[in-house]
Amino acid sequence: LAKTTQPISMDSYEGQEVNITCSHNNIATNDYITWYQQFPSQGPRFIIQGYKTKVTNEVASLFIPADRKSSTLSLPRVSLSDTAVYYCLVGPSRLGSSGNTPLVFGKGTRLSVIA
Amino acid sequence: EAGVTQSPTHLIKTRGQQATLRCSPISGHTSVYWYQQALGLGLQFLLWYDEGEERNRGNFPPRFSGRQFPNYSSELNVNALELEDSALYLCASSSRGETQYFGPGTRLLVL
Repeated sequence: LAKTTQPISMDSYEGQEVNITCSHNNIATNDYITWYQQFPSQGPRFIIQGYKTKVTNEVASLFIPADRKSSTLSLPRVSLSDTAVYYCLVGPSRLGSSGNTPLVFGKGTRLSVIA
Repeated sequence: EAGVTQSPTHLIKTRGQQATLRCSPISGHTSVYWYQQALGLGLQFLLWYDEGEERNRGNFPPRFSGRQFPNYSSELNVNALELEDSALYLCASSSRGETQYFGPGTRLLVL
């Protein structure tokens, strides 16, 4: 699976837009990019997934350039409750057979939102 | 629709004992994944079950084992507990490799 690199931590003030960039230089043709959010002592929560260009949902936007070697998670107008660890993962959305390797979580980006 | 559920929420054991953790997937999901998250660390993949079969296994010793039942729920068993097994154990489910949805976890403390 493609290895990902993200900043270890980021700080932001409430109400600002936060962009977290993830590098995945070895992304494969059939790989998708998925972002999860995790609060302390809770399971990760799926945020958004994309393959190319731009994906938007009610929580965030995901920007993927044409070469797909990086992606940016954009959180509009963050609040204190957005303080969490954000994980970027790259892998085939469909695993399907016993030969495939499940998702690999890195250390993520710890986002701290300040009032 | 109910999400992934795990039980118990907390478990305290002593070194050498066995622990059993349980997971119920989202209705319709056939795949169950187990992860270990030690304090302050990322998630480490443990096991993947699909349609009752073990499909893949992470880099953990054989004393970590599990199974998936006909109703797709799953158990994770940890034998001969060691202090370093203390962690948050997370279960996720998916539809045959689609997006994984996580449960709240079981916090295991080994004394």
